[in-house]
Amino acid sequence: QQPVQSPQAVILREGEDAVINCSSSKALYSVHWYRQKHGEAPVFLMILLKGGEQKGHEKISASFNEKKQQSSLYLTASQLSYSGTYFCGTEIKSGGSNYKLTFGKGTLLTVNP
Amino acid sequence: DAGVIQSPRHEVTEMGQEVTLRCKPISGHDYLFWYRQTMMRGLELLIYFNNNVPIDDSGMPEDRFSAKMPNASFSTLKIQPSEPRDSAVYFCASSFGMVYNEQFFGPGTRLTVL
Repeated sequence: QQPVQSPQAVILREGEDAVINCSSSKALYSVHWYRQKHGEAPVFLMILLKGGEQKGHEKISASFNEKKQQSSLYLTASQLSYSGTYFCGTEIKSGGSNYKLTFGKGTLLTVNP
Repeated sequence: DAGVIQSPRHEVTEMGQEVTLRCKPISGHDYLFWYRQTMMRGLELLIYFNNNVPIDDSGMPEDRFSAKMPNASFSTLKIQPSEPRDSAVYFCASSFGMVYNEQFFGPGTRLTVL
């Protein structure tokens, strides 16, 4: 049930762009994106909902293809502060009216000067 | 608000000892989650509560793990007896609502079992 993220790691120079992908084998209700810096807790970036609604970060964009059960996170004109591990979380129905958020293993993004 | 509060921040114990991790969610949040993070498995959901009631504990590894939420402002995760493979960072998170809502993570407890 764990979503699959790719790539596992990416190294950029400041100002370059990156795309992180997330795919699931289950029908998704939403996709969450979080960033975690070394030694810190994950921090919310954005949520993409069925039907196309998004809420979250202004400078980072993402897409959600419901039919393919995939999401992509787009990091443009990367800054040093973008460095960290990015996790996607896929929200699926786990039974009755309950839902469950399952995280991928993460993508380590390093932005160098 | 102070955010999600976890204690202790670090715990070192010997195999066989009981370990209790504590969490105070953000006031007003009705969902509380316990996660375990390791290099091998990533961020795993162990259990979550809604209005103090456990909803899904399918991620709890085995009977050595138990979690309680006696009231809206406090939860514990207990490991008894602890084993070296339990070494990990344990995060508590809370949210207002489940579907379509962001989770706020606490700073985590780094557990080392010798």
